[in-house]
Amino acid sequence: GAGVSQSPSNKVTEKGKDVELRCDPISGHTALYWYRQSLGQGLEFLIYFQGNSAPDKSGLPSDRFSAERTGGSVSTLTIQRTQQEDSAVYLCASSLAGHLYGYTFGSGTRLTVV
Amino acid sequence: GENVEQHPSTLSVQEGDSAVIKCTYSDSASNYFPWYKQELGKGPQLIIDIRSNVGEKKDQRIAVTLNKTAKHFSLHITETQPEDSAVYFCAASDEKLTFGTGTRLTIIP
Repeated sequence: GAGVSQSPSNKVTEKGKDVELRCDPISGHTALYWYRQSLGQGLEFLIYFQGNSAPDKSGLPSDRFSAERTGGSVSTLTIQRTQQEDSAVYLCASSLAGHLYGYTFGSGTRLTVV
Repeated sequence: GENVEQHPSTLSVQEGDSAVIKCTYSDSASNYFPWYKQELGKGPQLIIDIRSNVGEKKDQRIAVTLNKTAKHFSLHITETQPEDSAVYFCAASDEKLTFGTGTRLTIIP
């Protein structure tokens, strides 16, 4: 597609429920990143996929968070047993071949845990 | 890991004046320094970037300077316009981007 697409754009969930957030990167981009942005804050790195290499999961805040990327394209970020502190905007970005080519961000998924 | 500090957190300038945002980074291995603009309800958008073998880069009203010795880089916006109002983020990268905490820029008409 023309840009990075994220769905849903908004998600309200009850504490303790699981959620899945989806990211469709730009076609042909081999690198995909997930970041989290809390209200009025900067961007916190979560996870990074590059081609067929093992993902860099060093930013995932707990074992309730996981992500996968199928077929080198679409990625899903899963949060299990959601907590109120998980409320944030989750941003996905893709890059042609890694960090030196700049990131293109999607518009994000605003997650609210009530 | 990399640590990026950004100042100021808020900045208000009169329309037509210049705005400067400064960032410092910690990891000497970082070699790519982009700047992003984020408008309300949207994802960050790349506006300019610079690589470690370049000291300055300009694109119309926007310029970025890099001092690798001091580990700092700056964004300069000249002849500011109301549409420049947004949150600006700097970032530094070795393998993945580490972002600064952002600067909310307000242009006063």
